[in-house]
Amino acid sequence: AQKITQTQPGMFVQEKEAVTLDCTYDTSDPSYGLFWYKQPSSGEMIFLIYQGSYDQQNATEGRYSLNFQKARKSANLVISASQLGDSAMYFCAMREGLSGNKLVFGAGTILRVKS
Amino acid sequence: DGGITQSPKYLFRKEGQNVTLSCEQNLNHDAMYWYRQDPGQGLRLIYYSQIVNDFQKGDIAEGYSVSREKKESFPLTVTSAQKNPTAFYLCASSKLPRLGPETQYFGPGTRLLVL
Repeated sequence: AQKITQTQPGMFVQEKEAVTLDCTYDTSDPSYGLFWYKQPSSGEMIFLIYQGSYDQQNATEGRYSLNFQKARKSANLVISASQLGDSAMYFCAMREGLSGNKLVFGAGTILRVKS
Repeated sequence: DGGITQSPKYLFRKEGQNVTLSCEQNLNHDAMYWYRQDPGQGLRLIYYSQIVNDFQKGDIAEGYSVSREKKESFPLTVTSAQKNPTAFYLCASSKLPRLGPETQYFGPGTRLLVL
């Protein structure tokens, strides 16, 4: 069964506007962590933001924030004030357990920022 | 600077040939991982290692082999048994245990093409 689902294959956003990238997950473990990564065309994976299953508040890192809705099992990434350099592939990933080592990735969403 | 290096950046394989992808890290991380990425898809775990001389199969280990003789190095061999090896291969490392927001750090990747 798919554990991480990213339903948007591609998204467009106008420069300086906000955009939300969707991610839903499936796990029966009460302890888990959710990660978002950015992959530019060069290929490297860049860690953006983390949300733990027991975290009371939504995570924020600069222009990135995570809209964590635990009951709905969703962890959407919000990018505010989009920049041209935000154009990339974005992946949602989950680690099950408090100290699990394995990450399970979604299929990704391609984001294109228009000027 | 600390980081993960992968070589070569591009690798060409002939039919029936084994090829080895290099991954070295100087982050003093205990755990290392190999992922495969196919076009338009997320990352899938091939093998991972938590300690020298020990490694575990991931979700798609068939046709691949690894070794972990040194903490810093985790080479991946794509054997002739892997019938569809064309993909982008990413190596990653992390501290252990992986608690909370402790993420995996990724190398720049190797693109493998079959001639």
